[in-house]
Amino acid sequence: DVKVTQSSRYLVKRTGEKVFLECVQDMDHENMFWYRQDPGLGLRLIYFSYDVKMKEKGDIPEGYSVSREKKERFSLILESASTNQTSMYLCASSSGTRGTNEQFFGPGTRLTVL
Amino acid sequence: GENVEQHPSTLSVQEGDSAVIKCTYSDSASNYFPWYKQELGKRPQLIIDIRSNVGEKKDQRIAVTLNKTAKHFSLHITETQPEDSAVYFCAASRSGGFKTIFGAGTRLFVKA
Repeated sequence: DVKVTQSSRYLVKRTGEKVFLECVQDMDHENMFWYRQDPGLGLRLIYFSYDVKMKEKGDIPEGYSVSREKKERFSLILESASTNQTSMYLCASSSGTRGTNEQFFGPGTRLTVL
Repeated sequence: GENVEQHPSTLSVQEGDSAVIKCTYSDSASNYFPWYKQELGKRPQLIIDIRSNVGEKKDQRIAVTLNKTAKHFSLHITETQPEDSAVYFCAASRSGGFKTIFGAGTRLFVKA
């Protein structure tokens, strides 16, 4: 059974703080993704990675960066948190190189920036 | 850029009725169309998917149809039950790329 875990379920930070969100998957998946989920906007892709040390911008990368030093771990970094980054953040992973396989999601991190 | 439009945003049905959610995609190269269900407070999970080489797929009470010419695909749930209440997301992606484009979601309420 695929397991994707995220470091925190709830997080409260102050404007300007550096924020780290971590995601770990235990199924040896090549691909990992970070999304933010906002009501009425669905799931929007922030960044993804198809291999260790590889990263690609998604649709809304501004204000975020990522790190993938190990295959199982994908980190999302908010360099200087702002109130408009208050959201639910979902990590996902998938196998294969075709890009057309099921994504397995983590439980999400609800981030509030004050 | 590529996008997926999903309708309706909210759907309320009586238990036992059918529910239909429709999506339209813009990228004609898309060839994989998954549907995810997200129950309240839980993570999205795949419930059914369809690839572009078929027009319809069924799994018990749920079915998906795909019209490649019109770039439409739909989710059909028959004999709805209260546990079908959730947010449903359609999505589209293509071979050789890694981006999956999600629709905005449909909140389905099934009234007992």
